[in-house]
Amino acid sequence: AQSVTQLDSQVPVFEEAPVELRCNYSSSVSVYLFWYVQYPNQGLQLLLKYLSGSTLVESINGFEAEFNKSQTSFHLRKPSVHISDTAEYFCAVRQGGSEKLVFGKGTKLTVNP
Amino acid sequence: GAVVSQHPSWVICKSGTSVKIECRSLDFQATTMFWYRQFPKQSLMLMATSNEGSKATYEQGVEKDKFLINHASLTLSTLTVTSAHPEDSSFYICSARLLRGQGLSEQYFGPGTRLTVT
Repeated sequence: AQSVTQLDSQVPVFEEAPVELRCNYSSSVSVYLFWYVQYPNQGLQLLLKYLSGSTLVESINGFEAEFNKSQTSFHLRKPSVHISDTAEYFCAVRQGGSEKLVFGKGTKLTVNP
Repeated sequence: GAVVSQHPSWVICKSGTSVKIECRSLDFQATTMFWYRQFPKQSLMLMATSNEGSKATYEQGVEKDKFLINHASLTLSTLTVTSAHPEDSSFYICSARLLRGQGLSEQYFGPGTRLTVT
């Protein structure tokens, strides 16, 4: 069965510092990859996704993630974080041919002033 | 576009009562909706897949008689927690599948419903 590993449960950083949130998934023939963000007491919002094509995908608020098939990774990065980026971030994988999303356990990003 | 709503956003009920949670796709039709459960500081766990006009498909370990799912229209799915107990207290999140053509689809999530059973 497909699984997703987010190695870091919590990542504290200072404002304007770079950040990387790691995500690895179990190998599969074809996968679609997603990052979702969850603010306190809210549902999930899609941050970015990889479906096909360019392995580097970007969001409108400065986040990017790169699909690395050989390393089965989809790490999320931002060169300079803001306090408003403080939230829980979930990596999710959907296997080709299936509608089910499998989520990682999440990484709580805390941006301090 | 692709907005999903849930109602209520939070509910408190007494043990033994039933609670209904609604999930609506506001600006698109969704033949498939999903129900997730999220415990504090944990990830989302898929409970069931709700298909319009047919029975829901439950994940292993989820009691279908306890968590009743009805998907009566292309924009509405409901989850009823029957005979709720304190251990059912959780954050319930739904998502709706939006088909984008060429076999691609995305799930859009509702804001969640926090259920507290006393």
